[in-house]
Amino acid sequence: KAGVTQTPRYLIKTRGQQVTLSCSPISGHRSVSWYQQTPGQGLQFLFEYFSETQRNKGNFPGRFSGRQFSNSRSEMNVSTLELGDSALYLCASTPDRVDTGELFFGEGSRLTVL
Amino acid sequence: ILNVEQSPQSLHVQEGDSTNFTCSFPSSNFYALHWYRWETAKSPEALFVMTLNGDEKKKGRISATLNTKEGYSYLYIKGSQPEDSATYLCAHRTDRGSTLGRLYFGRGTQLTVWP
Repeated sequence: KAGVTQTPRYLIKTRGQQVTLSCSPISGHRSVSWYQQTPGQGLQFLFEYFSETQRNKGNFPGRFSGRQFSNSRSEMNVSTLELGDSALYLCASTPDRVDTGELFFGEGSRLTVL
Repeated sequence: ILNVEQSPQSLHVQEGDSTNFTCSFPSSNFYALHWYRWETAKSPEALFVMTLNGDEKKKGRISATLNTKEGYSYLYIKGSQPEDSATYLCAHRTDRGSTLGRLYFGRGTQLTVWP
C-alpha cells in the first residue's frame, strides 16, 4: 500500500511569491491534515480536511489556505511569502476510524524563502 | 494553545543502555496521547496511541505508559541500539469524533545511540 506522497520535496521561493504544496493520502483515507515545523518548534497544526470540507484550522494567518479534492488529494497554498514561512510542511492522512486517530505522515515539503 | 512538554530535549546513550523520556500534557479534556518516532530524512511513524489512564503499550524493546490524571507519559527503550537513533515526538489530542486530525505536539526528544 503506497504511503502519503508529498510534492515537491524541496523548493526555494522569494519573499512575496506564493507556493502550492500537494499531498496524496493513503488510498482510502479521507482525512488530510497539514503541519508546519520550524527550527526549534514542535509540529504546528495548520488545518484538516475531510471529504473536501475544512473541519479545523490552526492559528495561522489567512495567507495560509488549503483545499481537498474529491479524490482526497489535498493542496495547501501560502501567498505573499515571508522569510518566516521557511519550514518543513508535513501532510498526514488518517483512517476514518475514530478509535485510534493515528496519523500517517508524508516525508514533507521543505520550503526555503529567500 | 495546549502545552505539551517533552524532556530531555536530547539524549546520548551507549548501545545497550536503557533509556526513558517524559511527555507532560494538560490533564483536562484528555482524549488520546500519541508517540511518534521520526528518523532523519524520513516521515514520522506512529509508535503508540494510548487513550486510557494506566495504559501500557509495548512494541519490541519500546514501551510506554500513560497517566492521564497527572498528565504525563513515559517512553522506555530497553537495550538501545544505533537504529533507535531518532527524534521521539509525543502529541496530545482533546477532540473526539468529528476532528480526527488535530494533535498538539511536543518539541521532541532527540536520541542518539552510539555503538
